[in-house]
Amino acid sequence: EVQLLESGGGLVQPGGSLRLSCAASGFTFSSYDMTWVRQAPGKGLVWVSTISSTGVRTYYADSVKGRFTFSRDNSKNTLYLQMNSLRAEDTAIYYCAKMKYGDLDYWGQGTLVTVSS
Amino acid sequence: EIVMTQSPATLSVSPGERATLSCRASQSVSSNLAWYQQKPGQAPRLLIYGASTRATGIPGRFSGSGSGTEFTLTISSLQSEDFAVYYCHQYNNWPQTFGQGTKVEIK
Repeated sequence: EVQLLESGGGLVQPGGSLRLSCAASGFTFSSYDMTWVRQAPGKGLVWVSTISSTGVRTYYADSVKGRFTFSRDNSKNTLYLQMNSLRAEDTAIYYCAKMKYGDLDYWGQGTLVTVSS
Repeated sequence: EIVMTQSPATLSVSPGERATLSCRASQSVSSNLAWYQQKPGQAPRLLIYGASTRATGIPGRFSGSGSGTEFTLTISSLQSEDFAVYYCHQYNNWPQTFGQGTKVEIK
């Protein structure tokens, strides 16, 4: 059974940093590209970033480029999203998701990030 | 950036009726289009990928169609568990983009 478990969310002040993790199990982690999607309270889904199976290639939304870094450790089946210079508009539930052909076939339950003073 | 526009924003349907949801892309995304269902407090669930292929375990009452810029998700006979928000998602171009969602509510 595929499982994705996010952690690391919490309350952080504007300008602060946070690192999210996503622990994966139930599939060959190193064979799949992975993605972060976020959802502000009461709002829709927004693509944040994707990383290739090897970690060599990363893609970012313009809104987070230069502030967020997506990485992975295939030996630990874990993803990381380092978030720096956080803004109020980054407040959201952050989901990690497994990519299949580009579509997102499995999702974690999400971790809430709140940026507020 | 490709803009995905879903309509209507809210769809009121009686149980057992058919629901038709639309998604339009600002430029062609070929068939690289997925649909997701999200219920309150839950993560999204993949329903359809490749515009028309049902994901594993998805009931046959869900069907997708379209290519290029016009796509449709049809729920042939709404069940109580189908009342939720539905999102389309294009993965043809970077950045990937989602529609704003269609809420299917009980009439």
